[in-house]
Amino acid sequence: AQSVTQLDSQVPVFEEAPVELRCNYSSSVSVYLFWYVQYPNQGLQLLLKYLSGSTLVKGINGFEAEFNKSQTSFHLRKPSVHISDTAEYFCAVSEGGYSTLTFGKGTMLLVSP
Amino acid sequence: ETGVTQSPTHLIKTRGQQVTLRCSSQSGHNTVSWYQQALGQGPQFIFQYYREEENGRGNFPPRFSGLQFPNYSSELNVNALELDDSALYLCASSSQTGSSAFFGQGTRLTVV
Repeated sequence: AQSVTQLDSQVPVFEEAPVELRCNYSSSVSVYLFWYVQYPNQGLQLLLKYLSGSTLVKGINGFEAEFNKSQTSFHLRKPSVHISDTAEYFCAVSEGGYSTLTFGKGTMLLVSP
Repeated sequence: ETGVTQSPTHLIKTRGQQVTLRCSSQSGHNTVSWYQQALGQGPQFIFQYYREEENGRGNFPPRFSGLQFPNYSSELNVNALELDDSALYLCASSSQTGSSAFFGQGTRLTVV
């Protein structure tokens, strides 16, 4: 069975500061890894994904994530956040693009001026 | 290319009633998955449909059922609603050859 742990339920940060949202996963098979963002009263929007190849993945809105197989981690980073990045971020794992997703509980990113 | 659309966006039902939620998948996608997102939680997998057949189910009771139609749109039906069924219900579409699932905006169900 797969599982995802997002280590922080909330991350407060000032505008233009860097941020890292942490995600660890467990799985008995090779996995695909995803980060989704959810703005208030909205659905989920795909930020980025790791399928194979380079362990550093770049996504939309200046976000990037690094896959670390030995530490079973897939942390999300942004070098300089904006107020508009305030949202809930979900890490997810699946066994294939069409397979079901197992989500973490989410991390609320709170960006203040 | 059209995205994933869900209807209705919000609805309120009384405990014990039945509800049907609808989802139109993204063009070219033949797989639809449904998720339940309770307040403050991550989405939980309910079930998946591929070519009109159920193709996997999460830990939800039988009163949660679904359908997929020949055009790959889908319905989620919930019978005998309970207060704990109050949640955001998300539909995601994908293809067997693709690498990502795309989500609709969700239906906010409130059971009173």
